[in-house]
Amino acid sequence: KAGVTQTPRYLIKTRGQQVTLSCSPISGHRSVSWYQQTPGQGLQFLFEYFSETQRNKGNFPGRFSGRQFSNSRSEMNVSTLELGDSALYLCASNPGGPNEQFFGPGTRLTVL
Amino acid sequence: ELKVEQNPLFLSMQEGKNYTIYCNYSTTSDRLYWYRQDPGKSLESLFVLLSNGAVKQEGRLMASLDTKARLSTLHITAAVHDLSATYFCAVDLNDMRFGAGTRLTVKP
Repeated sequence: KAGVTQTPRYLIKTRGQQVTLSCSPISGHRSVSWYQQTPGQGLQFLFEYFSETQRNKGNFPGRFSGRQFSNSRSEMNVSTLELGDSALYLCASNPGGPNEQFFGPGTRLTVL
Repeated sequence: ELKVEQNPLFLSMQEGKNYTIYCNYSTTSDRLYWYRQDPGKSLESLFVLLSNGAVKQEGRLMASLDTKARLSTLHITAAVHDLSATYFCAVDLNDMRFGAGTRLTVKP
């Protein structure tokens, strides 16, 4: 069974630009969550999508948005990038309910 | 607001020794998870604990959950170098809140 995939794996952007990250969950998994990992703040929850609906949202500014498609693939978008947005962005999927999450390899975003 | 605290944050131990990592959380929840992260890698699920008194074991690692005390422990038995990694606990309360992580180094 293929795991969670994320593209791209690495990204370099400059301040003010916007970026779109993509996540393909494990086949059959309907829940996709996004996290930001930084050395200073650790792992922080961004949002969760289930069956194309945002179910939960973390405490991030509106510059961070996401969506989920009918095939459960998800994208997250960050507009007007700031230096502090440099981080590892992790996507995780699970079938739904109180199950373990399966994490993708992450997208490392560097904002210059 | 849910807070998840792990201790210690750094742990250096010798091979063959035992140790326990603690995860305290501030709001009632019966969904607790342990993950492992190797340097430069993503997170790997270790244990899912879904009820008070739950205990799970895999190899040299054993995790337990006490929902009344809002405490989970990850016990390491006879540590080996391959266990060197960062270990995270996470509590599920509508969204997943992670502890800061415990960076474990096992030395020969």
